[in-house]
Parts: sequence; C-alpha cells; structure tokens
Amino acid sequence: QSVLTQPPSASGTPGQRVTISCSGSSSNIGSNTVSWYQQLPGTAPKLLIYSNNQRPSGVPDRFSGSKSGTSASLAISGLQSEDEADYYCATWDDSLNGRGVFGGGTRLTVL
Amino acid sequence: QVQLVQSGAAVKKPGASVKVSCKASGYTFTGHFIHWVRQAPGQGLEWMGWINPNSGGTVYARRFESRVTMTRDTSITTAYMELSRLRSDDTAVYYCAREVRCSTCYTTFDYWGQGTLVTVPS
Repeated sequence: QSVLTQPPSASGTPGQRVTISCSGSSSNIGSNTVSWYQQLPGTAPKLLIYSNNQRPSGVPDRFSGSKSGTSASLAISGLQSEDEADYYCATWDDSLNGRGVFGGGTRLTVL
Repeated sequence: QVQLVQSGAAVKKPGASVKVSCKASGYTFTGHFIHWVRQAPGQGLEWMGWINPNSGGTVYARRFESRVTMTRDTSITTAYMELSRLRSDDTAVYYCAREVRCSTCYTTFDYWGQGTLVTVPS
C-alpha cells in the first residue's frame, strides 16, 4: 500500500489531454514539493516535473504539473503514442523521521 | 556528461548480503546526494534511503534501516548500497539516482543508474 495514491490506469487517444492524480496527506504533499517520473518498459525512470510544476530542460511543454493542498496532478496534453508508459509521483514525508515516498504508479495507455 | 553506472546483476541465496555499486562521473560527486530506489518485478518504485557523498551521512527508510548500509568512496566517486539478510521478496531492480541540488528537491532525481537486478530465489 503506497503512501501516495494514484489511479492504477489511465487512457486517452492521440491528441487528447489526460490527467493523473496523486493524493497524499499533510505530512507529505501538504508539506513538500512533488516530482513526477515517466518510466518506459525496461528503463530507468525519467524526471518529468519537479517542484510541483517545473519542467527540466528537454521535457516538452505538453507535460505540466500542479499541486493543491494534499493532492497533485500531472497533465499531458496533445497525447502521443510515445507517452504510453508508467507515471509516478514522489515527495518527501515528514513523518517517521523523514522518508521519500512514491505513488503506486499509473499505467497510461494511448488508444 | 553525467553518468551513473551500476554493477551487474546478482543472484544471492536467502540470508546472504548483496552490495551494489554506483559509479558517478561527469559532475562533482560530493555535490549531490545519492538515493537508492528499488522496484520489484511488476511493481512500483520504493525509496530506500540516501547518502551524502560529502559527509557520508545517511538516512534510511524505516523498513530497511536494520538491513541496509549505504557508503561511498570519494576517491573513486562511487556509492554503494549493501542489503543484508536477503529474502525472496528482496528480488528487485535496484537503482541509484542523483538528487537535484535545491532546497526543496528531496525526491527530485535528475539522473539515474541503469539499474541492477538482484535475484533471491525462494
């Protein structure tokens, strides 16, 4: 059972906009910034969003992040077939002397 | 360019220990924390802990702190993660990852190793 709750799956057609949610609590998302990662099959995760809504250089502006209270969201606009992957949210949790926590992951299917 | 290159796959017996290395290059090794994250087959990501390569200080996830030791050798810019008393449910890909330097970036990892598969047969 992950500390951060994500829907296990999401889907969309090419060109659509999809959002993936990440729900936490006051000790994690409510107190710290959120990062998002994309993981293609058989590869290491890739940083997509950090500090809630910042994109590293090289990440297309189709990807955007937001945070409100104890929840965060990743939005992907203009969906493309290569966006089919697993997506994870991550943040720090101030309980138990501090620890990193990930969401359970969301598998995005491009129909 | 920044690279994190990990040691190769390992098969270990239950009760044994495994030590995974993570060789860093292309940046100042002591300037960024190194985190370890694992992923069991078909499962999600699990944070294990971090090491400050400058001081050697560590923080471990509560569920691993009795079994994990993270160390570094600054002379060869390499971080290590050793997990002891292995069980079959420790079978996973283990990743090292570099933390971005910013005051709020505790789980912001901009570079990852390629992963090391550790198999513990039941």
